[in-house]
Amino acid sequence: GAVVSQHPSRVICKSGTSVKIECRSLDFQATTMFWYRQFPKKSLMLMATSNEGSKATYEQGVEKDKFLINHASLTLSTLTVTSAHPEDSSFYICSASRMGSMLVNTEAFFGQGTRLTVV
Amino acid sequence: AQSVAQPEDQVNVAEGNPLTVKCTYSVSGNPYLFWYVQYPNRGLQFLLKYITGDNLVKGSYGFEAEFNKSQTSFHLKKPSALVSDSALYFCAVRDDYKLSFGAGTTVTVRA
Repeated sequence: GAVVSQHPSRVICKSGTSVKIECRSLDFQATTMFWYRQFPKKSLMLMATSNEGSKATYEQGVEKDKFLINHASLTLSTLTVTSAHPEDSSFYICSASRMGSMLVNTEAFFGQGTRLTVV
Repeated sequence: AQSVAQPEDQVNVAEGNPLTVKCTYSVSGNPYLFWYVQYPNRGLQFLLKYITGDNLVKGSYGFEAEFNKSQTSFHLKKPSALVSDSALYFCAVRDDYKLSFGAGTTVTVRA
């Protein structure tokens, strides 16, 4: 399957600082990437859809000024958690689908996730 | 909106025994269904998908799933479970351009 790389895998930051998480599609181009948040032993909550060259689409209840998404190229999307607080501590996962394949029968490929801890 | 439900939070089986993880779906139109597995502190790995065709879908690591339209189910199965199959399993359905996930089922396979 296709490879999606997410970095860093773990990060600890101080409250009030910002943290950037990168999501790269290594062997394919992705016009669309997705960012999820996962709480312990819980399902994935879609936060936003990242579109190359345009603004991200945020799900209801997700603060766009707090979770900044940039999708500057066909292989890279970034999520920046601004002014992080302890309640932002979570597991963040990105996924991507192949360019031109936003078809319903296409599986998504996931990054390995980022464990964010805000102290 | 399309949705899936996983009625069991946990499934425990002995190694070598059959493993079944349940999933039911609610969709308007044709369902596009997926199974993913997640190991601790890792992303999701794709196991298999049902789009159309044969109701029995074979996937990675010896897993298969049976699409049952009358029961609106898409249960994941493995004839003989391994300890290494212990993980969190998610059923998902395509909802427009997104994936809608079930709550997840934790599978524990004991030696």
